[in-house]
Order: sequence, then C-alpha cells, then structure tokens
Amino acid sequence: EPEVTQTPSHQVTQMGQEVILRCVPISNHLYFYWYRQILGQKVEFLVSFYNNEISEKSEIFDDQFSVERPDGSNFTLKIRSTKLEDSAMYFCASSGTSDRTDTQYFGPGTRLTVL
Amino acid sequence: AQSVAQPEDQVNVAEGNPLTVKCTYSVSGNPYLFWYVQYPNRGLQFLLKYITGDNLVKGSYGFEAEFNKSQTSFHLKKPSALVSDSALYFCAVRAYTGKLIFGQGTTLQVKP
Repeated sequence: EPEVTQTPSHQVTQMGQEVILRCVPISNHLYFYWYRQILGQKVEFLVSFYNNEISEKSEIFDDQFSVERPDGSNFTLKIRSTKLEDSAMYFCASSGTSDRTDTQYFGPGTRLTVL
Repeated sequence: AQSVAQPEDQVNVAEGNPLTVKCTYSVSGNPYLFWYVQYPNRGLQFLLKYITGDNLVKGSYGFEAEFNKSQTSFHLKKPSALVSDSALYFCAVRAYTGKLIFGQGTTLQVKP
C-alpha cells in the first residue's frame, strides 16, 4: 500500500539554526500539506501546496517558513531560523485531488526539538 | 468559523465492550468529516469519512461512525473493543479551502 514517508524521524537543532524537513508524498498525488502538533495540543494546519505554488497558509506559516518541491518526489518544509516554540511534531500529508471529499494521507511525522 | 470538538480527553473501556469516542462539529454547509488514529510513534492513519448518504459509515479495523446532522455529531464507535485499539483518535472536518481542521484528540485506553 502506498504511503507517505518523512525524514528524519527526529531532528534536534539549536535555536536560530535552519532545518529542512523532508517528505515523499504518495506518488500519484498532486496536493501536499504540512501540519504540526505541539506536544499536548491539537494538530494544526500550516500550508497546502499544489502545482508548485502555495494554495493556502495559516497564520503560523510566517516568513521563517518555506516549502518546496525540488524534484518529482520530495516535498520539503524549511524553517530558516528556528525558535523554541517551533518544537513540535511535523506531519506531511498528500491527496490525489483538492476535492473536499478526498482523503489526506499522512506520514509518520518528524519530531523537531529546538534547544 | 468551522470547528471540531472532542469533549473527552480520555475514554476508558474494557476489552470486549463497545466503545464510543465523541465528536461534534460546527460548519456552514455540508460537512465532510474524517476520523484518524495515531498509534505511538506513528503518523495519523485514516479510519473513515462521511461525505454524504448513509449516516452510518464503516471504516477500517471494525470501526464505524454515526453522523447526526441535528446534533452536529460524528461519533466513532466499535461494537467490541480490543486492547490493540488503544491509541489517540482525532476527528476532523475538511474546510472549504481543503485543509483539515482537527479536534484536540481523545486517548482511548482499552484494558484487558
């Protein structure tokens, strides 16, 4: 069964450093998403991406964040200068269409710890 | 504004007993509702969704969910709980823009 994969599973970084979180969506999917979950809190939407453009972003997704699809398979989330409050589990998801009935499939997540 | 609420932080049931994990929603227009499960150190796994039609939706691992429009609820159910069902369960609604809006999650603990 196709699945979304994410690397690394755990990233530890110093405050102010740049991190790149990587995701490989399901191969025939066209719509990609990043969500995050701060420990003990709900899963929150960050950004959606289609056709090499951001479709929607949340208030959390400020200038420190960027997304990219550098090749035909990877989808990345970059945080330019990490803050302590960026510590969270980051989930990548993908779906085949933008239809609201379509299911988003999630990866296992990357746990980001900012020290 | 669209929102989802899961009123219980934790649900405890004995193995073999029926389980219910509650979810209520607030949307304008037709709701598109989803349940996901998160096992320790795993991602969110899709369980089932309500789009339209039959109010009782069947999903993976024997789970089902009942959509109730008048009560704006979408409760997750299983007739006979297993210890292996112990996990964190999330209800979500799909917004008009495509993003998922999640509830805060409910921990299900099934005891032998």
